[in-house]
Amino acid sequence: AQSVTQPDIHITVSEGASLELRCNYSYGATPYLFWYVQSPGQGLQLLLKYFSGDTLVQGIKGFEAEFKRSQSSFNLRKPSVHWSDAAEYFCAVGARENTGKLIFGQGTTLQVKP
Amino acid sequence: EADIYQTPRYLVIGTGKKITLECSQTMGHDKMYWYQQDPGMELHLIHYSYGVNSTEKGDLSSESTVSRIRTEHFPLTLESARPSHTSQYLCASRGTSGTGELFFGEGSRLTVL
Repeated sequence: AQSVTQPDIHITVSEGASLELRCNYSYGATPYLFWYVQSPGQGLQLLLKYFSGDTLVQGIKGFEAEFKRSQSSFNLRKPSVHWSDAAEYFCAVGARENTGKLIFGQGTTLQVKP
Repeated sequence: EADIYQTPRYLVIGTGKKITLECSQTMGHDKMYWYQQDPGMELHLIHYSYGVNSTEKGDLSSESTVSRIRTEHFPLTLESARPSHTSQYLCASRGTSGTGELFFGEGSRLTVL
């Protein structure tokens, strides 16, 4: 069965520290991979996506993610966290067939300490 | 910038009432989706549509219904709201081209007393 696992429910980092949010997926083929961010009371905003090609993808707000096929992972990273990065982060996978249906992980809540 | 709008943003209503959550997009996207999100939980797909007059049930069973009479409009209806329907409902859309990302509205937070 297709699934997405985000092992860390909550993460707290200090402002200026580096960040890595983990995402593992279970999928029969190579999926599309996404990271979305959700601020309180808001919808989801796309941070970045992996479609094909270079396995290190750059996104908005200084985020990047690396697709590792051997580990079925798509971890999100940022070298220096800002207080405004505090939010909930969702990893998602989608089929390469043109259905557009995404499967989401449970989300990781990021708290940033001053 | 995605243009997908949901109303109302917040709704508190009594048990047994009929409610409709509106979702409209101005991007001409064929595919539209409704996800349900409980606090601290992942999003679950409850309905989707591939175009006008096309609606399908998603992975999570829901007592709600949807319609797609116009491309830009994908409303969700609960005929008789119950406290178990309390949740956030997120509408999304995507076009036929592109690499599969969804564009989300800001959500409708429903509370049924």
